[in-house]
Formats: sequence, structure tokens, C-alpha cells
Amino acid sequence: GAVVSQHPSWVICKSGTSVKIECRSLDFQATTMFWYRQFPKQSLMLMATSNEGSKATYEQGVEKDKFLINHASLTLSTLTVTSAHPEDSSFYICSASPGNTIYFGEGSWLTVV
Amino acid sequence: AQSVTQLDSHVSVSEGTPVLLRCNYSSSYSPSLFWYVQHPNKGLQLLLKYTSAATLVKGINGFEAEFKKSETSFHLTKPSAHMSDAAEYFCVVSDPPGTGRRALTFGSGTRLQVQP
Repeated sequence: GAVVSQHPSWVICKSGTSVKIECRSLDFQATTMFWYRQFPKQSLMLMATSNEGSKATYEQGVEKDKFLINHASLTLSTLTVTSAHPEDSSFYICSASPGNTIYFGEGSWLTVV
Repeated sequence: AQSVTQLDSHVSVSEGTPVLLRCNYSSSYSPSLFWYVQHPNKGLQLLLKYTSAATLVKGINGFEAEFKKSETSFHLTKPSAHMSDAAEYFCVVSDPPGTGRRALTFGSGTRLQVQP
């Protein structure tokens, strides 16, 4: 079946540095991918919609200059957390859909120290 | 706008007893509804989905959910809980059809604890 792969699964970075998370659709093309964030003991919140070949659409309250999204191909979207701070520590997960079924990546645990 | 409300933040049951996780939704359209499970330090796994076919939906691991339009509910049930069912469960509604998006709105989650 369709698979969405996310990398890395775990990452620790120093405060002030940038971290890139990749989301790949392995056996289908995805013109749209979605990025979610989950803070500890909270639900998942949609951050942005990644659109292949065009700018991402960000949800209200999400800083687009801090969370850079690039969707350069039909199978890859990247989320870059720039100038990371400890409060950016979270679980980030992407999703994509080849049709009626929505598939999630495995998620990426980011810890900023 | 659509929304989903999970009525219980925490549910505790004994192993072998039934599980009921409650979910109510609000949508201007015929919704697509999902239940996802998240085990500790893991990603999300789809349990089941409703997309306007049969109102009683059977999922994996013995879970099922019934779509009740009159009650705007989509409660998740399982006849007999297993220790491995202990996890966080999310009720989810999808963007309406025709919007071109497949973004999801998540409920706040219900933590299921299974006692031996």
C-alpha cells in the first residue's frame, strides 16, 4: 500500500541552529502534503499545507519564516525549523493522500537544547 | 468550520472489559471521520474510517465505530480490551469534499489505560 516516509525520526539540535525534516511519498505522487505538530500531551495541530511547485499555505499563528516548507517535487516535502528554540521541541508529522486514504509519516521528534 | 470533540480525556478499563471512546463532530458537510491510535513514542496508525458508506465501520484490532448522524457522533468501541490497547486515541474529521484539501482536524485525544 501507499507509504509516506519521514526522516529523521529523532533529532536533537542546539538552540539557534536549523533542522530539516523530510517527508516522502514512496509509491505515489503527492501534489499536496500536510505538516502537523504535536506538543507533549496535546493533540495534533495542522501547521501548513505544502503545495508542489508553489508556496505553502500556513495556518494562523504559524510563523512561515520560522517553519520553511519546500515541496520541490511530487514525492518530497521538507520542513525546516530555522533558528530553533527549546519551545520548538515537539513531534512533527506529515501526511499525504493518493486518493481517499490519508497516510502519515512516522513522525519526527525534535528536541532543541 | 468543522470540529470534533472527544468527550473524555482519559478512560480506564480492566483487561477483558468493553471499551467506549466517545466522539462528537460538527460539520456543514457529510464528513469523513477517522479514528487514529498513537502508542507512546510512536507515530499515528489508522484504526478505521467512515466515508459515507456503511454506518458501522469495522477497523483493525477488533475496534469498530458507528456513525450516527442524528447524534453527530462517531464513538469507538471494542468488546474486550487488551493490555496492548493502552494508547492515545484521536477522533479526526477531514476537510469537506470539493475543497481540494485533505487536511485533518484532530480531537483533543483520549488516553486509554488498561488495567490488568
